[in-house]
Amino acid sequence: GQNIDQPTEMTATEGAIVQINCTYQTSGFNGLFWYQQHAGEAPTFLSYNVLDGLEEKGRFSSFLSRSKGYSYLLLKELQMKDSASYLCAVSDSGGYNKLIFGAGTRLAVHP
Amino acid sequence: EAQVTQNPRYLITVTGKKLTVTCSQNMNHEYMSWYRQDPGLGLRQIYYSMNVEVTDKGDVPEGYKVSRKEKRNFPLILESPSPNQTSLYFCASSWDRVLEAFFGQGTRLTVV
Repeated sequence: GQNIDQPTEMTATEGAIVQINCTYQTSGFNGLFWYQQHAGEAPTFLSYNVLDGLEEKGRFSSFLSRSKGYSYLLLKELQMKDSASYLCAVSDSGGYNKLIFGAGTRLAVHP
Repeated sequence: EAQVTQNPRYLITVTGKKLTVTCSQNMNHEYMSWYRQDPGLGLRQIYYSMNVEVTDKGDVPEGYKVSRKEKRNFPLILESPSPNQTSLYFCASSWDRVLEAFFGQGTRLTVV
């Protein structure tokens, strides 16, 4: 079956580094996305990985290992505004525009 | 400003009363989708569209209909809403299935 797993909740301290893991099992693979969603708002795009390795974008980095079905999102120099849910999503090659989302990880950043 | 616009943002309705949630994008995107978001379940795809007059079912299509008569619009229709359709709904669009999706602001629907 299709499955995407990520931790339900995490907490971290302002200024610290946090890593949010995502493991997936899908019938096909056309890339992995990370989205950020503040409470009551729309998801916004953070990163896209289709090849193995690390993609860095400012304070955020995303890593992918296709052989292990594993990704992580790394957030550095945490700020209070980073308190949000982080959604891992896999683009399944089995269907057009089929994005399969994990349930999301709610991150709380405290002073 | 590039955006995806959904209306209404909030809606309370009664069981069985047909309703339509509109979605419009101004980016000339070909791909559009509807999702529902429920606590603990994440975003689940209801329907998607690859272009005008081309639509297909997602993971949870039961009780919903869509149409794509124009490229910019992708309305979601609930012919006979039921309480289990109470949810937060998002419309999204993208250039391609492997490119980032832009989401509307969401519609919080309550069916009583």
